[in-house]
Amino acid sequence: GESVGLHLPTLSVQEGDNSIINCAYSNSASDYFIWYKQESGKGPQFIIDIRSNMDKRQGQRVTVLLNKTVKHLSLQIAATQPGDSAVYFCAEKNDYKLSFGAGTTVTVRA
Amino acid sequence: EPEVTQTPSHQVTQMGQEVILRCVPISNHLYFYWYRQILGQKVEFLVSFYNNEISEKSEIFDDQFSVERPDGSNFTLKIRSTKLEDSAMYFCASSESIMWSPLHFGNGTRLTVT
Repeated sequence: GESVGLHLPTLSVQEGDNSIINCAYSNSASDYFIWYKQESGKGPQFIIDIRSNMDKRQGQRVTVLLNKTVKHLSLQIAATQPGDSAVYFCAEKNDYKLSFGAGTTVTVRA
Repeated sequence: EPEVTQTPSHQVTQMGQEVILRCVPISNHLYFYWYRQILGQKVEFLVSFYNNEISEKSEIFDDQFSVERPDGSNFTLKIRSTKLEDSAMYFCASSESIMWSPLHFGNGTRLTVT
């Protein structure tokens, strides 16, 4: 079965604030993790990834943190914008299979 | 930027009919995948494909499903005899390699089985 999950199904954030989306995984053998953003009617869009030998990776306005001790992954979005409103999925990779969590719906308030 | 393209965007079919969903992966990618998403639910893995054979498949991917790379650019998913519960969004994805390489997804085909 799927081993990736998210702590909260919804997150409401004020425009300009920072967002933190959390994800828990249970498969300690997973060695690669990806965050995706999905807007209505579209496919998952790659945001940022991290390998299991790292604990932090930064992109443009986004940071992913990996804590292998507690099997926790988070996505931080700085200065959240209206265009960040979407469903966010974490996903873990094992061999040929990428498994998705249930998703967090982020709504940005103006 | 290269992208994965899927056709058709919406397919309506009657129960028991065969459907073929088509995908054109990113040209230099070697690994191909199909996923599905039932409305409001998470994205579920169906199958991965490399070097003209299935690498891994899920329990959902039973004998009614098959995949094919008929030429150098297309990647197809066939459902032989559709059921009502096959109604979902079907996403194709591709990746450059199997290690440390993100999957890039198309915008999906919405399959409606009536």
